[in-house]
Amino acid sequence: KNQVEQSPQSLIILEGKNCTLQCNYTVSPFSNLRWYKQDTGRGPVSLTIMTFSENTKSNGRYTATLDADTKQSSLHITASQLSDSASYICVVSARNTDKLIFGTGTRLQVFP
Amino acid sequence: GAVVSQHPSWVICKSGTSVKIECRSLDFQATTMFWYRQFPKQSLMLMATSNEGSKATYEQGVEKDKFLINHASLTLSTLTVTSAHPEDSSFYICSATKPPHSYNEQFFGPGTRLTVL
Repeated sequence: KNQVEQSPQSLIILEGKNCTLQCNYTVSPFSNLRWYKQDTGRGPVSLTIMTFSENTKSNGRYTATLDADTKQSSLHITASQLSDSASYICVVSARNTDKLIFGTGTRLQVFP
Repeated sequence: GAVVSQHPSWVICKSGTSVKIECRSLDFQATTMFWYRQFPKQSLMLMATSNEGSKATYEQGVEKDKFLINHASLTLSTLTVTSAHPEDSSFYICSATKPPHSYNEQFFGPGTRLTVL
């Protein structure tokens, strides 16, 4: 069964600190993995997209990694800001389908 | 760009009434649009996939007579919640794919909060 699991479920950090969110997936055949940021009451916004051959991709303070062998991905946020408070969703796409498999998300709260 | 809008952003209605939600791709033609539902603290759940000019494909457990989807043009899809009940209260999000389909990327709208009293 195609699944995407994320950890931790929620995370609280202080402004300026770094954090790392985890994503494990069992999706086959794998096409790509993406991280989205979803602010409360808003739609998801894409942060990074990685294919099988890519193992790291950055978007500003966000850096995603992908290990296709172990089927794990991480999202590292550097020097967190209050505006980083949101849910971060790991989404995996399988080949030959237009459907996405969503993780349950990590709720990040950044406090001053 | 690839901007998707939704209207309204929120709606409150009485039980038994019908509500229409619009999803528009503002700067591209979307061959496929998706409708999702999201309950509090849960992830997005796909309700249906719609292609312009054809009937929508509904996910298992989603009542097609209750959630009517119309995709009349390449830039507009509508979701009508018929005879809404309080359990239909949720956050409804649409997305669209922009050809060419690099990575099957979907661009999401801002969502519509539906509250049924």
